Amino acid sequence: GIQVEQSPPDLILQEGANSTLRCNFSDSVNNLQWFHQNPWGQLINLFYIPSGTKQNGRLSATTVATERYSLLYISSSQTTDSGVYFCAVARYNNNDMRFGAGTRLTVKP
Amino acid sequence: DAGVIQSPRHEVTEMGQEVTLRCKPISGHNSLFWYRQTMMRGLELLIYFNNNVPIDDSGMPEDRFSAKMPNASFSTLKIQPSEPRDSAVYFCASSSQGIVAKSTDTQYFGPGTRLTVL
Repeated sequence: GIQVEQSPPDLILQEGANSTLRCNFSDSVNNLQWFHQNPWGQLINLFYIPSGTKQNGRLSATTVATERYSLLYISSSQTTDSGVYFCAVARYNNNDMRFGAGTRLTVKP
Repeated sequence: DAGVIQSPRHEVTEMGQEVTLRCKPISGHNSLFWYRQTMMRGLELLIYFNNNVPIDDSGMPEDRFSAKMPNASFSTLKIQPSEPRDSAVYFCASSSQGIVAKSTDTQYFGPGTRLTVL
């Protein structure tokens, strides 16, 4: 099946810093989503972004489908950004979403 | 909308018992997904339904697991008999995607059910 690798596995930032999270995938996809799992376990969808660039406030994401990677940018990080960020992908013609192992982000005040 | 509703939120049971997890998707969504999250294996898709029909159950670990969606507003995931290794958080998610994702619709997750099998 499709492989999803996320980096870095762990990231510790000072409040106000910027960061870039990466997701590499091993095959063509038609569905790519970024999720944030907060410290209480709730999974929140951040972006549906199989290609192109999107922005939502301090967060933005870019997917370069031809090169099989996606980037999630967090600017001016806040303590509430802490949690685990997951990338999930599905190949063409199915919705079998495969999740990466996640990047655990800790933002310190 | 109340979002995806799951019940119970926590379940503690003994090995060998039957466990039934419940999910109510967001009204109007036609796709429903069951996931399991463990420390060892991360998030895994177990099964998904489109228009109440199971599309892909290849992620269901064993015959002890079964899922149903009798109507557009309700789904169950049953484990019978349960084993300690089934302990995990089980998430239900819904979306308005078709069998092949074509739109910008995204998956919305419920709060999860934390299952502990003793």
